[in-house]
Parts: sequence; structure tokens; C-alpha cells
Amino acid sequence: QSVLTQPHSASGTPGQRVTISCSGSTSNIGVNLVYWYRLLPGTAPQLLIFRNNQRPSGVPDRFSGSKSDTSASLAISGLRSEDEADYYCAAYDDSLSAYVFGTGTKVTVL
Amino acid sequence: QVHLKESGPRLVKPSETLSLTCNVSGGSISGYYWSWIRQPPGKGLEWIGYVYYTGGTNYNPSLKSRVSISRDTSENQFSLKLSSVTAADTAVYYCARSDKIMLWAFDFWGQGTLVTVSS
Repeated sequence: QSVLTQPHSASGTPGQRVTISCSGSTSNIGVNLVYWYRLLPGTAPQLLIFRNNQRPSGVPDRFSGSKSDTSASLAISGLRSEDEADYYCAAYDDSLSAYVFGTGTKVTVL
Repeated sequence: QVHLKESGPRLVKPSETLSLTCNVSGGSISGYYWSWIRQPPGKGLEWIGYVYYTGGTNYNPSLKSRVSISRDTSENQFSLKLSSVTAADTAVYYCARSDKIMLWAFDFWGQGTLVTVSS
């Protein structure tokens, strides 16, 4: 049920900036707020971005979110080894009447 | 700090009912929405549904016919029941919290529990 499309993988060297895209449609990203989560195996997932571009307290400002029309992006600047994880975008889909997640992007720090 | 922990059988037989409980500590379930989300092996995340602390529920239409989520305010926990399971229901099941202002921002999650459907 992944109606939000993300690149399978992204990578960068320490200190670089990595951007992850999330492509949706007029029934989800186009009309609703976007969220971003980070998943590390064996640990509780973490909310990174809410309301398109807001960071919860405790999330470093190296993480930033943006949205335009039916797409959204997550940028990680000053890449660190601990940023290696899976990242998911999410939004409510009015057509499906369900909260949907993206296909997920695995970030590798080279 | 709010802490969520999933518990329940790790192995369920096909056609039976999967039952999980999420225990909430460090805070009350009152005032919040409580969701279940799952991730099949090698696949992405899927929102299953939520229960509000008052007992109101909302389910993903793709699972609605088989899902029931309830809460127990006295025990500060909430539960998931998924009936008629098949191998496709094998997944890591997470519980998560959101509030009425940011309904879809899951700010606290459990670590997840892997449930395998197999005979």
C-alpha cells in the first residue's frame, strides 16, 4: 500500500549533505502534512519531522524537511556515521482514508 | 519519558487471532491516540489503526474487517487483535502515540515485536 515513492537508497561521506525525496499525489502530500521517521533495527522508530518542516525537540537542526506540491524532501546535512538508518516519509491519504508511509530509503555513510 | 512496550505471542497459527498488548509507562494514556503499525520483513511500514483514550477507534480500511483495537485505562495499556491471520501478517508490530493536535505525528514508539504466522 506504498503510495509514497522514495529512492531505495542514498549515500554520502561524513560531512556531506544527503537529500531524500518522497513523491506522492493530490490525495496525500498535495493536501496533507508530511512526516519523516528514522528506523534503526532493534530500536524504537524516531519522529524526525512533523508538519512538513518542524523538528521535535531533541532532533538536531542537521535534519530539515520541505514540501512542494505533491512531493517532499528530507535533507541531512553534516552527515554522520550514526545517521545510517532507514528513513520513511508519511502522510494521510484522503482517497485511501488511511495514514500511509513511503517505500523507505536506506542511508549509507561511506 | 514515556515508554511503550509490546507484548504477546511471537508465533501464531494461520487462521487464528493475533493478540498484542502495548504497556505504557512514564505517562498516562489519557488525552492521546494510540496506534499500531507493522512492518513485514523486508517491506515498508503499514498503519493498522488507532484507539483514542475515550475508546473511539479508526482502522486502515485494508484491514478493517479483521482488526480490533481497545484500551484499558486502569491498566494504562492498549491492545490489538487481528483475526484470520495468514503468512502475510508476519511482521514487526509497533505501538505508537500521537496527540489530538498532531494526530499523525507519532512521537513515541515501542521497540517492536516480531510476530510470525506459521503452523
